[in-house]
Amino acid sequence: DGGITQSPKYLFRKEGQNVTLSCEQNLNHDAMYWYRQDPGQGLRLIYYSQIVNDFQKGDIAEGYSVSREKKESFPLTVTSAQKNPTAFYLCASSIDHASGWETQYFGPGTRLLVL
Amino acid sequence: DAKTTQPPSMDCAEGRAANLPCNHSTISGNEYVYWYRQIHSQGPQYIIHGLKNNETNEMASLIITEDRKSSTLILPHATLRDTAVYYCIAQSKAAGNKLTFGGGTRVLVKP
Repeated sequence: DGGITQSPKYLFRKEGQNVTLSCEQNLNHDAMYWYRQDPGQGLRLIYYSQIVNDFQKGDIAEGYSVSREKKESFPLTVTSAQKNPTAFYLCASSIDHASGWETQYFGPGTRLLVL
Repeated sequence: DAKTTQPPSMDCAEGRAANLPCNHSTISGNEYVYWYRQIHSQGPQYIIHGLKNNETNEMASLIITEDRKSSTLILPHATLRDTAVYYCIAQSKAAGNKLTFGGGTRVLVKP
């Protein structure tokens, strides 16, 4: 079964704690993305990566960090510097950047709550 | 990316066609029009995209005006499972493939 998986579905964070959200894809896509969605709002881009070992900041990267050591994996760490982390986090991937087709396919999301 | 404007909400009767409008009057020649939808608490789902020509797939049809300043997504026979927020996005490759999601249109399909 091909697709994008995110885990966990729900995650609770204590004050001052770093947490890592997992995103894995077996679609052989080159590019991967992380978005944040607040209630009733659209999605905002946090980070994206077009190739292994390279990634770029999106519109709201402060308080977040990522790594891209493997093509199929793009974990997101929400650091203690992110003062308002409660949100729905969505990971996406897209086919070869150079081909010109940039349709993004999304995972099911992780809902992060602060205790 | 060009800004897109969509109505905040609309209702549709089950079994009827749903026509979702989108304005993108500042769209440039290399920007595609993409449509995604998001069912409550799920990740967005790709529906269709186009540049100049009308497009059709198993989910929907996309009608783009000749001047490309607006488009319409058509769900030919709406079902209750089509209830979702529908996002219209104008995306250029120069923007680094970043999708900019606005507020979308909340579509409620009623029996």
